[in-house]
Amino acid sequence: DGGITQSPKYLFRKEGQNVTLSCEQNLNHDAMYWYRQDPGQGLRLIYYSQIVNDFQKGDIAEGYSVSREKKESFPLTVTSAQKNPTAFYLCASSPTETSLHFGNGTRLTVT
Amino acid sequence: GNSVTQMEGPVTLSEEAFLTINCTYTATGYPSLFWYVQYPGEGLQLLLKATKADDKGSNKGFEATYRKETTSFHLEKGSVQVSDSAVYFCAPAEFGSWGKLQFGAGTQVVVTP
Repeated sequence: DGGITQSPKYLFRKEGQNVTLSCEQNLNHDAMYWYRQDPGQGLRLIYYSQIVNDFQKGDIAEGYSVSREKKESFPLTVTSAQKNPTAFYLCASSPTETSLHFGNGTRLTVT
Repeated sequence: GNSVTQMEGPVTLSEEAFLTINCTYTATGYPSLFWYVQYPGEGLQLLLKATKADDKGSNKGFEATYRKETTSFHLEKGSVQVSDSAVYFCAPAEFGSWGKLQFGAGTQVVVTP
C-alpha cells in the first residue's frame, strides 16, 4: 500500500540538541510538506518542496531546516535555535494541485 | 492570502444527532475548499472537497456545499456515530498554491453513546 511513513512516533530530546524527523513517501508525489500542530491550534506550514533539490520556507521556518535529495524523502531537522520545539509534526505530500496525504505524525518532546 | 474561521469546540453530541460545523473563509482568489479529519493520535485524512461554487462534497455521510456568496463551507452529517469523534479542519487552497492549505484551528467533536 502506498503512503507516508513518519518515524519515530514519539521522540524525546534534551534542550540544545538538534533532532531530525524522518518522512518517506512511496506515492510518487512531487510535492512534500512539513506542518507543525500545537494543542488547540490549526496546522502551520514549516517548509515545503515542490521538486527534488528545491524547497521553500513556509510560515514558521525559523529554527528548522530541511533537505530534499530524493523524491521519496523529506527529512526535517529541528535545531537548537527553535525556541519552542515541543509539538506534533506532520509530514504530507501531494501530486501537484490536489489534496494532501498526511503521515501519522511525530510527537517531539524537548526538555 | 487566505484565512479561515471555524466554530470552536468541543462539540458534544449524542449518537444519531445532527452535526453542523461552521466554516467561513476569506480568499483573494477562487479557492478549492477541503475538510480534513484527524482521529486521536493520527495524521489528517481528507474527508471531502469542493472545487467550484455550488459544488457539494460528500463522504462517509458527511456533506459540505461550496457557497461563494457567503464564503462558507459548512460541514454536516445527519446522524453521527461514536466513531465520528475526531477533530475536523476546514481548509481553503488557492489554485497554484501547490497544496499549501490554510487550516482552521479545528473543531473537536465528541459523540457519546
